Amino acid sequence: GIQVEQSPPDLILQEGANSTLRCNFSDSVNNLQWFHQNPWGQLINLFYIPSGTKQNGRLSATTVATERYSLLYISSSQTTDSGVYFCAVHFGNEKLTFGTGTRLTIIP
Amino acid sequence: GAVVSQHPSRVICKSGTSVKIECRSLDFQATTMFWYRQFPKQSLMLMATSNEGSKATYEQGVEKDKFLINHASLTLSTLTVTSAHPEDSSFYICSARIGLAGGPRPYEQYFGPGTRLTVT
Repeated sequence: GIQVEQSPPDLILQEGANSTLRCNFSDSVNNLQWFHQNPWGQLINLFYIPSGTKQNGRLSATTVATERYSLLYISSSQTTDSGVYFCAVHFGNEKLTFGTGTRLTIIP
Repeated sequence: GAVVSQHPSRVICKSGTSVKIECRSLDFQATTMFWYRQFPKQSLMLMATSNEGSKATYEQGVEKDKFLINHASLTLSTLTVTSAHPEDSSFYICSARIGLAGGPRPYEQYFGPGTRLTVT
């Protein structure tokens, strides 16, 4: 089956640090989304990025579709960045397949 | 824009009873909505695709008679967990598709805040 793997599974950082989260997928994708699930369970849309690079404040993302991976960069981490980060991909249809997630904990 | 609500946010029910969860797109119309289930410390698993005016499409292994889905309008889909049992306890999340197939962001989804179901 289709695999979407994220790394690292867990990440603990001091406030102010930078981080890179990775999403690998096993087949060509039509679209890719990054989400942040906050401690209350709400998924927040971060990026819609089937290819290329996008930036939004302290966050940026890059998808290299030909090499089947996407990266999420978080700079100058804040405690509010804590939570679980998911990538999710569309494989030729409208259904999203979610990755395994990266749990990020930012320590004050 | 692109706000999706869910109600209730949490519910506790007794084994054998049924529970209905509502998912609404507040500021856009959604012909397609999705229902996911998430167990603690795990990823989201798609349960079914809900299409306005037609029958839902269930993923393999999901019992359609247990998880009844109705998408009666362009802004509302409901999930009813029938004859709930403790193993149905989970976090249920809906999403709505905002992106059109031929549009600039096809198939983009926005998510509701989730419903935590506990069956005692």
